[in-house]
Amino acid sequence: SQQGEEDPQALSIQEGENATMNCSYKTSINNLQWYRQNSGRGLVHLILIRSNEREKHSGRLRVTLDTSKKSSSLLITASRAADTASYFCATDGGYQKVTFGIGTKLQVIP
Amino acid sequence: EAGVAQSPRYKIIEKRQSVAFWCNPISGHATLYWYQQILGQGPKLLIQFQNNGVVDDSQLPKDRFSAERLKGVDSTLKIQPAKLEDSAVYLCASSTTETQYFGPGTRLLVL
Repeated sequence: SQQGEEDPQALSIQEGENATMNCSYKTSINNLQWYRQNSGRGLVHLILIRSNEREKHSGRLRVTLDTSKKSSSLLITASRAADTASYFCATDGGYQKVTFGIGTKLQVIP
Repeated sequence: EAGVAQSPRYKIIEKRQSVAFWCNPISGHATLYWYQQILGQGPKLLIQFQNNGVVDDSQLPKDRFSAERLKGVDSTLKIQPAKLEDSAVYLCASSTTETQYFGPGTRLLVL
């Protein structure tokens, strides 16, 4: 079963704009991670936020976590065409057992 | 540092045939995962190994799927017999901490 649900399922923006995607989950977690998947390729880890953290930054990425609402958001600032990919949230409930959501498909138009 | 290697990259078989996938994790990574990713969906965990022991195989269809990790390094995933609904990308990942490193996947088409 897939715990995380990303919203929206698809997003199309112009290059230079910001992209925001959300993830909601159902049970308590140790951490939440975001991964990127380019078409036909494996997943690449982007960022991890622990359950006791509220916000984290990495380059053009900003992740927030609200454990009371069981939700997270991923913001990509100043998007580039190369950011076109599917983005997945993954929740870790312990023992490094990770459950992936269904993903948000992002298209950045040059 | 070499990444996670998987082979083959593509495989086409007919239903009821058998197929095997191979994964070589990053050196030193104790945890190895096999995921099934159906088109348009997120990866679904099939089995998780810690060294050569199984941590979680609750979503592995054990009547047709099997996996092993000999000597706690390489792993193979087998499907026998294959069904049409097994068409998917099979991803292998390895980790030492919470971050998983994924291989390129094997795309399976069952006709």
